[in-house]
Order: sequence, then C-alpha cells, then structure tokens
Amino acid sequence: QLQLQESGPGLVKPSETLSLTCTVSGGSISSSSYYWGWIRQPPGKGLEWIGSIYYSGSTSYIPSLKSRVTISVDTSKNQFSLKLSSVTAADTAVYYCARWNYDSSGYYLFFDHWGQGTLVTVSS
Amino acid sequence: DIQMTQSPSSLSASVGDRVTITCRASQTISSYLNWYQQQPGKAPKLLIYAASSLQSGVPSRFSGSGSGTDFTLTISSLQPEDFATYYCQQSYSTLGAFGGGTKVEI
Repeated sequence: QLQLQESGPGLVKPSETLSLTCTVSGGSISSSSYYWGWIRQPPGKGLEWIGSIYYSGSTSYIPSLKSRVTISVDTSKNQFSLKLSSVTAADTAVYYCARWNYDSSGYYLFFDHWGQGTLVTVSS
Repeated sequence: DIQMTQSPSSLSASVGDRVTITCRASQTISSYLNWYQQQPGKAPKLLIYAASSLQSGVPSRFSGSGSGTDFTLTISSLQPEDFATYYCQQSYSTLGAFGGGTKVEI
C-alpha cells in the first residue's frame, strides 16, 4: 500500500525558508507513470496546488509562487521536497504531498494518494 | 492560468436529498476535471476523475458530468458520511488548479 509522509519544522520565522520532505513508501518514486505534487491549505480555506515534479526532475509551479518555490526529488531516498523562501504569515497552512497519477488511458491525471498533511505556522 | 469556480460555496441538505455542485473552468478543459471530498482534519479523497469516471471504491451515489467549461458533481441520495467539503480540480494543464470548495452541511 502506497504511503506518503510529510516531515519538517512546524514553525518557521518570517523571511526564512520553509522546507518540507515527503517520504514515499510502498512504491517507487522513480516510476515513469507518476508525478509528485505539493498542495497547501490555509486554516479554514481551500486547497491550493503549489507545484509538481516528475522523477526526472521536470517541475511545474503555480505562477504566484514560482519565484519562491523549489521542488526537488531524491530517488535514492524515495523522497521529494518543497522549499518556499521568504515566507510570511500568509504561507501558514497545512501542507500536503500527493501522488499525481494517470488513469489507465494515460490521458487523465489526478491525485490518488495523499499524505496526512503537516501544519506549518509562520511566526516570530 | 486556468481558474476554477465552484458554486455554491456552501449548502444545507438533509439525509436522502439529491445534491448538485457545479464547477466552471475559465477556459475549455475538455474532460480533464477531478472531484475530491475532504472531511474535517483529513486529506482530500479522490471521488471522480476525467469528469465522470468513478474512482475505485467510491459509492455509486456519486456521479460526475460535463465537458468543456461546465461540470457537475451529483450525490443522488445524501448519506450522513457525505457531509464534507467538495473540491473540483482541473488536470488539463500540469498547473492543477482547484476550485474554491463547496461545504455540504446538515
């Protein structure tokens, strides 16, 4: 059974860099069938797609965060990571990692496995 | 960027009701539309992908329809465990934007 687990500091100071890691177990992050993504949810608000990465390292980022976001993959550890620089209180959210998978036709992508989420608070 | 707009943002319903949630894309996305259910404090769960394909294990009272820019999620007979927030998401581009969510309340 595929499992994803987010890890990282729960408290980050303003202007610093938020760093989270997603560890994938029960499956290989190097499979050519999947992308891997980060999604966040501010308290009491909706979901925001942050970005995704392919095992080869190809990335896509939401334009509003593109200048501050870096997503990377470490296939040797079966992990992928999120770095968000120059954080402010507006970046306080539950951060989820998830698998961005194709259906059997190979055309349609969806998030089919999610981590439990980790709350990151930006505060001094 | 493709923007996704859901309506209503919230609704009140009773057990057994038929519930319909709509999602509109800012440009055509063919059938590249997913629906998720999120219970409080939990990660979202995939219900529907490709606009109308039911994810394995999801009850058949959930159905999706639409293509182009307008989509619908229907719950045919609302059950107690269905009170949750529902999100649409486009997968037409790899910038997988979500809608704002619809909270289904008792």
